Amino acid sequence: KNQVEQSPQSLIILEGKNCTLQCNYTVSPFSNLRWYKQDTGRGPVSLTIMTFSENTKSNGRYTATLDADTKQSSLHITASQLSDSASYICVVSVGRGANNLFFGTGTRLTVIP
Amino acid sequence: NAGVTQTPKFQVLKTGQSMTLQCAQDMNHNSMYWYRQDPGMGLRLIYYSASEGTTDKGEVPNGYNVSRLNKREFSLRLESAAPSQTSVYFCASSGQLSGLLGNTIYFGEGSWLTVV
Repeated sequence: KNQVEQSPQSLIILEGKNCTLQCNYTVSPFSNLRWYKQDTGRGPVSLTIMTFSENTKSNGRYTATLDADTKQSSLHITASQLSDSASYICVVSVGRGANNLFFGTGTRLTVIP
Repeated sequence: NAGVTQTPKFQVLKTGQSMTLQCAQDMNHNSMYWYRQDPGMGLRLIYYSASEGTTDKGEVPNGYNVSRLNKREFSLRLESAAPSQTSVYFCASSGQLSGLLGNTIYFGEGSWLTVV
């Protein structure tokens, strides 16, 4: 069964600290993996997208890693800011087509001053 | 550049009422989607339109209908609303079908629907 699991479900960190969010998937055949940021009351916004041949991709203070062998991805946030408070969603794509995205339930990150 | 615009933002319906959620994108994208997001669950695809003139069912299509009015617009209709359809609905678009490499999906801001 194709699944995407994220951990932790929620996380609270102090402003300025780093954190790492995890995504494990059982999706096959793997096409690509995306991380989205969803602010409260808003739509998801793309942070990164990686194919199986990419191990690391950065977007400012966000760095995503991918291990296609173990089917794991992580999103590392450096020097967190209050504006990083949001849900972070891992999305894995299977092959081609539109009905092929598998969404994780997200990690709710709260950054406190 | 507005991106993906959906209306209304909030709506309360009585059971059995009908309504249409409107969505428009100004990025000249071929593919458009409707998702619903419920607490504790990932986004689930209701319907999608790979290109103008085509529509297909997603994971949870029951109780919904869609219309790809033109390349820009993709509407979602609830013919007879039920409490189980209380959810947040997101319209999205992409240049090509979502599975293709490097393709980014752009989401609207969401429509909060409550059915009482």
